[in-house]
Amino acid sequence: GAGVSQSPSNKVTEKGKDVELRCDPISGHTALYWYRQSLGQGLEFLIYFQGNSAPDKSGLPSDRFSAERTGGSVSTLTIQRTQQEDSAVYLCASSGVGALHFGNGTRLTVT
Amino acid sequence: GQNIDQPTEMTATEGAIVQINCTYQTSGFNGLFWYQQHAGEAPTFLSYNVLDGLEEKGRFSSFLSRSKGYSYLLLKELQMKDSASYLCAVRDIATDKLIFGTGTRLQVFP
Repeated sequence: GAGVSQSPSNKVTEKGKDVELRCDPISGHTALYWYRQSLGQGLEFLIYFQGNSAPDKSGLPSDRFSAERTGGSVSTLTIQRTQQEDSAVYLCASSGVGALHFGNGTRLTVT
Repeated sequence: GQNIDQPTEMTATEGAIVQINCTYQTSGFNGLFWYQQHAGEAPTFLSYNVLDGLEEKGRFSSFLSRSKGYSYLLLKELQMKDSASYLCAVRDIATDKLIFGTGTRLQVFP
């Protein structure tokens, strides 16, 4: 596609439920990143994929967070047993050899 | 590890010039990026420096000194639409991970 696509754009869920966020990177981009941004804050690194492997998972906040990438393309970020502090915008970005290109994010609200 | 510092907020007047500084510490440097982010929107790429010196792109320029761990973004002929957050990010050579600073919120006044 023309750009990085994320879905859903907005998600409201009840505390304790699981959510799955999807990222469709730019075709041909081998690197894929997930970041989290709380209101008025900077970008918090979560996880990075090179192809299908994740050399760095150090940013995942807890074991409730997991991510996978299949076929070197689409990635899903799963948050289990959501908590209110998980409320944030989750941004996905992909890159080839240059700059990261960001999707519009998924705004997650946990009630 | 990496540490990136930039001012939290800056203000400037329409038509003026503003310089946003970024200092970083990293175990392995492989490039510095500047992004612009308007409220409620995704970050958009502005510039990339991997070698020392100044990169100019229209009204925006970015400078890098690797020996000093220092970069700045220079915005000329400021316009109201330049009001946004400006994010400095450093790529680590070993992991290829891109780590962002907390961003500088710039407000341009008439």
